[in-house]
Order: sequence, then structure tokens, then C-alpha cells
Amino acid sequence: SQTIHQWPATLVQPVGSPLSLECTVEGTSNPNLYWYRQAAGRGLQLLFYSVGIGQISSEVPQNLSASRPQDRQFILSSKKLLLSDSGFYLCAWSAGGGGQAQGYTFGSGTRLTVV
Amino acid sequence: QKEVEQDPGPLSVPEGAIVSLNCTYSNSAFQYFMWYRQYSRKGPELLMYTYSSGNKEDGRFTAQVDKSSKYISLFIRDSQPSDSATYLCAMRGGGSYIPTFGRGTSLIVHP
Repeated sequence: SQTIHQWPATLVQPVGSPLSLECTVEGTSNPNLYWYRQAAGRGLQLLFYSVGIGQISSEVPQNLSASRPQDRQFILSSKKLLLSDSGFYLCAWSAGGGGQAQGYTFGSGTRLTVV
Repeated sequence: QKEVEQDPGPLSVPEGAIVSLNCTYSNSAFQYFMWYRQYSRKGPELLMYTYSSGNKEDGRFTAQVDKSSKYISLFIRDSQPSDSATYLCAMRGGGSYIPTFGRGTSLIVHP
């Protein structure tokens, strides 16, 4: 069965520090991968998505970046965090290669607080 | 007008009540409709998935899609305190595999 792992669960970082959040998927190949941010009362904001290794699409211009170094690994990064980067970050996957029958499966999320 | 509208609530009901959660949308190309449940401090989990119009039932949950009215609903029968969560609708279509999410409705079921 497919599983998605996301870590860390919580993170407190000072302003200006770097960020690296990692997400891995098991039990499937060639998944579509997504990074979302969820701010309180504001719903899910799509940040990045990837349909394959090295292929990243950005939905929101900001100081965050994403990379997909392996088929089932998706990394969210920042060189210098801002206070406004605080939020609940969610990784998700869906079947790739045209297999659109299923919805997303989300990870357990990372709660980031920038202080 | 947002593509997907969802009342944030909170919706507070007594245990055993029938709950109706709703979303409206404006994009007639949407064909796939989903409901997610999100407990506090957790990632959303897929609850129901439907294609096009009609009803789908799974235990105490029924998803209903009315494409002519651009309106979808999730009904929860015999609601339980464990159903207390935020429910997000999502939908996609028109060749896009990226769903559009509603902002979620907070449901509180009190004993």
C-alpha cells in the first residue's frame, strides 16, 4: 500500500534562517507531488507541484523553492525565512501518468513557526 | 467570485443529528468532486470521491453532486463527536489534475 511521510511535524525557526522540509512516498512510482500551505482560516494554498524528477511548477512567487531529486522525494526549501512563512505545510501525492481517478493523499503536515 | 465557495462555520450540532455540508462552484468544467476531512493539526484525508452528477453513499456519509446547479453536498447521518473536524470540498476538471479546494467548514458535534 502507498504511504506518505513528511517531517518534521513541528518546527520553530528564527527569521532569516534556512528551511528544508522533506516528503517521501512509498509504494508507488511516478507520482505527482505537491506542496501546500494552510494558514489559519485561509484554506489550502498550492505552492509547488511536480509531475516528474526535476520538473517543478511554482504557483506562488515567494522566497520558497522546491526540488524533486528522486522520483518519490519532494523537498521544500528556503534560504531565508520570513515571519510570513509561518503556517501548516502539507505534502501530497496523486497518481501520475494520467491516472487521475484518485484524489490526493496528504502527509501529516509540518507546523512551521517563524520567530 | 471565488471558484469554490464554502461556508467556514462553525456548524454546531448535537450528537445523532443529520449534518449537511455544502459547496457551490462556478466552473462548469469541474467533473471530479471530493470531500476531505481534516482533524486539528492533521493532514486532510480523502472521505468521498465522486464523478459527475449523482449520489454516492459510504456508511453514514452520502455525497451528492448537482452539476446543473453547481452545488455539492456531504450528508452525515447519526453524527458522532468523532466527526468533529473541518470538512473541505475539492473539485477538478477541464483537463487539469490540480483540484480547487474550498476553505473548509468546521463541524462540531457535541454529546
